[in-house]
Amino acid sequence: KQEVTQIPAALSVPEGENLVLNCSFTDSAIYNLQWFRQDPGKGLTSLLLIQSSQREQTSGRLNASLDKSSGRSTLYIAASQPGDSATYLCAVTVTGGFKTIFGAGTRLFVKA
Amino acid sequence: ETGVTQSPTHLIKTRGQQVTLRCSSQSGHNTVSWYQQALGQGPQFIFQYYREEENGRGNFPPRFSGLQFPNYSSELNVNALELDDSALYLCASSPRGYPVGTDTQYFGPGTRLTVL
Repeated sequence: KQEVTQIPAALSVPEGENLVLNCSFTDSAIYNLQWFRQDPGKGLTSLLLIQSSQREQTSGRLNASLDKSSGRSTLYIAASQPGDSATYLCAVTVTGGFKTIFGAGTRLFVKA
Repeated sequence: ETGVTQSPTHLIKTRGQQVTLRCSSQSGHNTVSWYQQALGQGPQFIFQYYREEENGRGNFPPRFSGLQFPNYSSELNVNALELDDSALYLCASSPRGYPVGTDTQYFGPGTRLTVL
């Protein structure tokens, strides 16, 4: 059974700091891994999608890596801003059944 | 280009009742997935539809059922509501990926369901 874990559960950093969010999964039989952002009470916004054959993806100040063999992904946020404050979720789409499994998220607060 | 829309925004029901939630996919998307998100948790996958057929299902009982229409809009139906069904219900659509359902998912704003 696929399980997705995100560490830390919450994080508070000063503006301008570079930070890393971690995601681990127990089964490497995945199609892809996706990172999302969720603002309170809102839907999810897709940030980056990494296919299982890829190692990383970049968009602006965000960089996500994937190590399928070790079951790990990291989301790197450069030069954090107060507007980055949100919950960040990672999700894997598993082979055999097309289920998407989410972690519980990391709540990020960037202080001005 | 119109994004994913969901209706209603909020809904209050009593235990034992039935509810229907609606989702309109983003233009050009033919796959839709439904999720349940309890407070403080990540979304839980309910099921996915591709071309009006169920393409995958999570660990939810049969009283959770769905439909996808020829225009790729979708409904989530929940019968015999229980208190634990109170949650944010999210719909996501995606363009055709290969295999089906493995492309980027675009989420709607959700429907907040409260069961009393």
